[in-house]
Amino acid sequence: QSVLTQPPSASGTPGQRVTISCSGSSSNIGSNTVNWYQQLPGTAPKLLIYSNNQRPSGVPDRFSGSKSGTSASLAISGLQSEDEADYYCAAWDDSLNALFGTGTKVTVL
Amino acid sequence: QVQLQESGPGLVKPSQTLSLTCTVSGGSISSGTYYWSWIRQPPGKGLEWIGYIHYSGSTYYNPSLKSRVTISVDTSKNQFSLKLSSVTAADTAVYYCARTCDGGSCFGSWGQGTLVPVSS
Repeated sequence: QSVLTQPPSASGTPGQRVTISCSGSSSNIGSNTVNWYQQLPGTAPKLLIYSNNQRPSGVPDRFSGSKSGTSASLAISGLQSEDEADYYCAAWDDSLNALFGTGTKVTVL
Repeated sequence: QVQLQESGPGLVKPSQTLSLTCTVSGGSISSGTYYWSWIRQPPGKGLEWIGYIHYSGSTYYNPSLKSRVTISVDTSKNQFSLKLSSVTAADTAVYYCARTCDGGSCFGSWGQGTLVPVSS
């Protein structure tokens, strides 16, 4: 069971802003950077945000990340139908273990 | 653009050893400060990191799986492999191989994944 907690679901209409939270502790998010992955149905996860708020080349700027203390957030602005997917936060802990969040399913209404 | 492809048996019996190989193309497994990882996802569930290896051979495993996991690398074939012993139905999952970002802070490239059912 993951120690990074996310809400199981989030939803919005096209064009809306959706925010997903990720809660950890001082030994993981509190002392290491956070990454976010997008998993479209039936596909492998894809890196969406790294180092808390950096977007890899090709990721639209409507995806943004932030971190404060032992929590992090992913925001999707201008929600589009193709954003319907599962989203996972991730961080390393101080024992060099890679941790993934519980995952959030985003539905576009 | 590096590409990763998992391969291995499509079905494993309980108590046996699950063996998978990841073939890397479009880049050398021996280059840079990358770590080569295995991650799994049980059907309908979340992601679980299994472990990683550096081309030098250094490894690090998820403590919850450490007693059953071995990850190895074959630089001559540009491949790395996973062995998971004494499997049960709980090990049924899609297994992904992945490369970390340069420096190891994130997983930047993933294979397409392979479903490995554990069943008699």
